[in-house]
Amino acid sequence: DAKTTQPNSMESNEEEPVHLPCNHSTISGTDYIHWYRQLPSQGPEYVIHGLTSNVNNRMASLAIAEDRKSSTLILHRATLRDAAVYYCIRGGNTPLVFGKGTRLSVIA
Amino acid sequence: NAGVTQTPKFQVLKTGQSMTLQCAQDMNHNSMYWYRQDPGMGLRLIYYSASEGTTDKGEVPNGYNVSRLNKREFSLRLESAAPSQTSVYFCASRTSGGAYGTQYFGPGTRLTVL
Repeated sequence: DAKTTQPNSMESNEEEPVHLPCNHSTISGTDYIHWYRQLPSQGPEYVIHGLTSNVNNRMASLAIAEDRKSSTLILHRATLRDAAVYYCIRGGNTPLVFGKGTRLSVIA
Repeated sequence: NAGVTQTPKFQVLKTGQSMTLQCAQDMNHNSMYWYRQDPGMGLRLIYYSASEGTTDKGEVPNGYNVSRLNKREFSLRLESAAPSQTSVYFCASRTSGGAYGTQYFGPGTRLTVL
């Protein structure tokens, strides 16, 4: 049970922003929200994580709703290299549980 | 700094054969994990080791055994391989720090059981 809900797939044009949504309505107060992505034929890689406030790093931004029941991963300018499966995970002090994620396609 | 390494990269077994998948990390992480990923699916946890000397079952442990050899190494053994174990196997390690720890994954082992 991944305990998060994501769309199966999304499509974006190259160099456009992409907003990947995630619902986690039963999140506990101590769970972090983690995002990983998996490029074709590779292992998952860390993208970003946060607890309550919005977070930015060199790869992406994470916007967390005030009630923490949902979040959005933002890729500011999608490139062809960003085509991957993106996983949104509620992280407690236990092993991370990966659902099926959102498959992002980027169109040139 | 190699991160998480896995051997072998590819393996073909016949039903009933045994083999051990090796995993090592050089980041001094306490926690290590084994996942499997079937086509079109997310990752499912097989076993994990929260620290050296401890191991625990994950979601799909049947047919597998693990050994946390030392802090760096965590191996996964298939005693009698079955076609249902055809999958891609990923090892991961995690920074300490509880809920916000980041997991680092190896490149995977692609296993086919005939």
